[in-house]
Amino acid sequence: GAVVSQHPSWVICKSGTSVKIECRSLDFQATTMFWYRQFPKQSLMLMATSNEGSKATYEQGVEKDKFLINHASLTLSTLTVTSAHPEDSSFYICSASMTSGGGKYFGPGTRLTVL
Amino acid sequence: GESVGLHLPTLSVQEGDNSIINCAYSNSASDYFIWYKQESGKGPQFIIDIRSNMDKRQGQRVTVLLNKTVKHLSLQIAATQPGDSAVYFCAENPNTDKLIFGTGTRLQVFP
Repeated sequence: GAVVSQHPSWVICKSGTSVKIECRSLDFQATTMFWYRQFPKQSLMLMATSNEGSKATYEQGVEKDKFLINHASLTLSTLTVTSAHPEDSSFYICSASMTSGGGKYFGPGTRLTVL
Repeated sequence: GESVGLHLPTLSVQEGDNSIINCAYSNSASDYFIWYKQESGKGPQFIIDIRSNMDKRQGQRVTVLLNKTVKHLSLQIAATQPGDSAVYFCAENPNTDKLIFGTGTRLQVFP
């Protein structure tokens, strides 16, 4: 099946710094990628939808200036958490879709801890 | 925002028994549904999907049932094994380009 990777798998940073998370589709071209956030013992919450070559669409309540998304190629999307704070600590997961339809394939996730 | 679960319900079963995990979805316009398995510290893993023009679909040891009348989805796992222990999420696609996740159910398998 299709493989989606994320890098890094975990990151610890100081409050106020920015962190970039990469999501790659390894064996297919992803026209659409999705970014989710998951807090402990909770479900996945969609943050934004990113389409290659265009601006991301953010879900209600997600700050687009804080969570910068770039989808520069058909195999790579990046999420940058700017000026991270402890409340941004979470598990960030991306998924990729070959065609419009929600994205079946998920990455392994990135654990972000902000001190 | 999307669906949020504050407390994960837990289903405990004995190894070898069958498991049934239920999910109520919210949008009557949803036409595609997926079940995912998530192990601790990992991303969701696709298990099985079903479209709204079907009411049952079988995979290897798993069966998904869809009841559109009451907006209910279930995942049946036959001969549950310790490796099946995980959190299971249903997800619905309300005819848009994104998935809405349910709250999740933790499956615990005892020897």
